[in-house]
Amino acid sequence: SQTIHQWPATLVQPVGSPLSLECTVEGTSNPNLYWYRQAAGRGLQLLFYSVGIGQISSEVPQNLSASRPQDRQFILSSKKLLLSDSGFYLCAWNGGPVEAFFGQGTRLTVV
Amino acid sequence: AQSVTQLDSQVPVFEEAPVELRCNYSSSVSVYLFWYVQYPNQGLQLLLKYLSGSTLVKGINGFEAEFNKSQTSFHLRKPSVHISDTAEYFCAVSDLVGGYQKVTFGTGTKLQVIP
Repeated sequence: SQTIHQWPATLVQPVGSPLSLECTVEGTSNPNLYWYRQAAGRGLQLLFYSVGIGQISSEVPQNLSASRPQDRQFILSSKKLLLSDSGFYLCAWNGGPVEAFFGQGTRLTVV
Repeated sequence: AQSVTQLDSQVPVFEEAPVELRCNYSSSVSVYLFWYVQYPNQGLQLLLKYLSGSTLVKGINGFEAEFNKSQTSFHLRKPSVHISDTAEYFCAVSDLVGGYQKVTFGTGTKLQVIP
């Protein structure tokens, strides 16, 4: 069966520091991968999606970037965090099944 | 472009009362529709999905939803809620965009079950 791992679960980082969040999927190949951000009262905002290795599409301009170095690995990064980057970040995948499956999320607090 | 509208940001309801969470969507082609539930500080779990066939879809935890193509709606219902149903609920639509299944979510509805 397929599983999705996302870490860390919580993270507190100072303004201006770098960020790296990792997501990996097991039990499937060539998944579509997504990064969402959930800010209070704003629902789920799609940040990036990827349909294959090295293929990244950005939905909104922002201080973040994403990379897909391997088929089942999706990384969310920032060179310098802003206060406004705080939020709950969710990784998800779909592909053979049309519904999206989510990781447990990372609570990022920028101080 | 596809979009999802959840008109109610919060819905308070007494325990054992029925509830309906509303969802409307727009899409230019046939779509797949989903409801997800999110408990605090957790990821989203799939409640139910509509892919094709019967317009009444039954999901986990006693929830069901009805696909209404003419009204472009996919409302979620439960005849009797429990305290444990307190959570945030997201409606989503999946459409084939640029060769892949793109999933778009609504802004969520917080269900608060009152004892």
